[in-house]
Amino acid sequence: GIQVEQSPPDLILQEGANSTLRCNFSDSVNNLQWFHQNPWGQLINLFYIPSGTKQNGRLSATTVATERYSLLYISSSQTTDSGVYFCAAEGSTSYGKLTFGQGTILTVHP
Amino acid sequence: DTAVSQTPKYLVTQMGNDKSIKCEQNLGHDTMYWYKQDSKKFLKIMFSYNNKELIINETVPNRFSPKSPDKAHLNLHINSLELGDSAVYFCASSPVDRGSGYTFGSGTRLTVV
Repeated sequence: GIQVEQSPPDLILQEGANSTLRCNFSDSVNNLQWFHQNPWGQLINLFYIPSGTKQNGRLSATTVATERYSLLYISSSQTTDSGVYFCAAEGSTSYGKLTFGQGTILTVHP
Repeated sequence: DTAVSQTPKYLVTQMGNDKSIKCEQNLGHDTMYWYKQDSKKFLKIMFSYNNKELIINETVPNRFSPKSPDKAHLNLHINSLELGDSAVYFCASSPVDRGSGYTFGSGTRLTVV
């Protein structure tokens, strides 16, 4: 099945800093999503982005499907951005199976 | 609100008991899932149902039995609970065309003592 790897595993920032999280995947994808798991455990869907670029406020994401990677950009980080960020991909030969990366733990200090 | 809702949110039970977690989605999606998140935060698929039919069973012990009475509901029944079953269980749903991706419920934290 598809392999999904995220980097870095941990990231510590001061409030106001910018950051880039990376997700590499091993196969072509039907679906790629970025999620934020907040301190209460909820999985919040940030982006559905199997290809191209999207922006939502301070967050944006780019997926280069031909090179099998996706990037999540967080600008002007806030303490509420803290949590775990997951990339998840559904391979084109793995219909119905979203495979998660191991996550990036983001801590934003005031 | 349109959502994926699962109950209960917390479940504490003794080893050997049988328990169920319920999931409902009102998004009109055709496919529903159960995922397990372990203590290291790793999320792994357990089951996938498309319009009430099982399409993925990821080598889960047969003590776990999903049941889908209709395409809006997918329940998870667990027999003879073991300490290692302690985890957070997430229900999710998605449309057939994946146009909006997967939507996850808020999770059920199961603790077996």
